[in-house]
Amino acid sequence: AQSVTQLGSHVSVSEGALVLLRCNYSSSVPPYLFWYVQYPNQGLQLLLKYTTGATLVKGINGFEAEFKKSETSFHLTKPSAHMSDAAEYFCAVSTMEYGNKLVFGAGTILRVKS
Amino acid sequence: NAGVTQTPKFQVLKTGQSMTLQCAQDMNHNSMYWYRQDPGMGLRLIYYSASEGTTDKGEVPNGYNVSRLNKREFSLRLESAAPSQTSVYFCASSETKRGYTFGSGTRLTVV
Repeated sequence: AQSVTQLGSHVSVSEGALVLLRCNYSSSVPPYLFWYVQYPNQGLQLLLKYTTGATLVKGINGFEAEFKKSETSFHLTKPSAHMSDAAEYFCAVSTMEYGNKLVFGAGTILRVKS
Repeated sequence: NAGVTQTPKFQVLKTGQSMTLQCAQDMNHNSMYWYRQDPGMGLRLIYYSASEGTTDKGEVPNGYNVSRLNKREFSLRLESAAPSQTSVYFCASSETKRGYTFGSGTRLTVV
């Protein structure tokens, strides 16, 4: 079985501060890992993904994430938050063992304070 | 524009009514999915279709049926709507490692 835990349902940062959204996964086989962003009343947009290769993955809008197998983590970071980053962020995992179906975490709502 | 198209965008149903949510993709993906999104629960898989002609249950299939009409289209049917099915429904398509492409969602309210 595979699962995803996102630590913190709400995260609040000041504009210009570091953004850190935490994601831990559970999988018995090598995972594919994804971060999606959802702006209010919109669908999900892919931020970045890890499949194989380099463990530090860069995505859109200045976000990046690092796959750490020993910690079963895939935390999302951005050096400097912008007001436009306010949204809900979802971490997700898929594996070939599970037929490549995406399993999502519960989501983290990011608030950016001016 | 290439992507996943869902219709309708909004719908209000009375308890016991039926309806079909439509989804079409133009990326020639083999796999298609239906998820529901509820506050604090992320997205949960209702049904999926790994390829044309096949469908299978996901995590929360009760009260739903699906049809993979052809490679492009994957519909979700509520035979007798219940208030517990009030949710936002997302259709998605994918090709293995490339991740999923999501539609813009259908907001369904059952009263």
